[in-house]
Amino acid sequence: EAQVTQNPRYLITVTGKKLTVTCSQNMNHEYMSWYRQDPGLGLRQIYYSMNVEVTDKGDVPEGYKVSRKEKRNFPLILESPSPNQTSLYFCASSLWARDRLGTGELFFGEGSRLTVL
Amino acid sequence: AQKITQTQPGMFVQEKEAVTLDCTYDTSDQSYGLFWYKQPSSGEMIFLIYQGSYDEQNATEGRYSLNFQKARKSANLVISASQLGDSAMYFCAMSVNTGGFKTIFGAGTRLFVKA
Repeated sequence: EAQVTQNPRYLITVTGKKLTVTCSQNMNHEYMSWYRQDPGLGLRQIYYSMNVEVTDKGDVPEGYKVSRKEKRNFPLILESPSPNQTSLYFCASSLWARDRLGTGELFFGEGSRLTVL
Repeated sequence: AQKITQTQPGMFVQEKEAVTLDCTYDTSDQSYGLFWYKQPSSGEMIFLIYQGSYDEQNATEGRYSLNFQKARKSANLVISASQLGDSAMYFCAMSVNTGGFKTIFGAGTRLFVKA
């Protein structure tokens, strides 16, 4: 089954304790991306990756790191989490759009709800 | 700067009626893609429809159509014959080439379908 898998789905942690949210896709997609969803703000892009070893900042990258060592995996790292990083996080992957104007439809993971105390 | 604006935080529609969810976008690029996604209360994100900036015809997918007015920079979603299962949050999004491909989302519109 084609899917994007995120782990953990739920996490409560404390300020400063490093954590990693994993993301894996089995569709051989080149494009992967992380978003955070906050009430009233929609989804905001944290980082994205156009291919292996190619990553770039989205609109809200502060406090996050990513890596893309393999095509299927795109982990999100919070080196020193703070309470303002409490949010719902989504990983997504995509092929390119049929007309090559940008990404095609995004396939999302189920989301990871993170609480930082 | 690229931006998506959804001005309707919440909307009600009667079952079986049509509803339009508004979306305006801002970009100076000529090449971009526009998307609508649905997020039910269960939380998953579901792709609904795509429109490329050079598409001359409005996109349609079953009961969903995208009313694309390029000069006005609007990409409204029309849902025909609303069903109770359409109650959800709806997000308009845009993919633009900024050296890489960013995806920008609007704040969303919550749709309530009344029986």
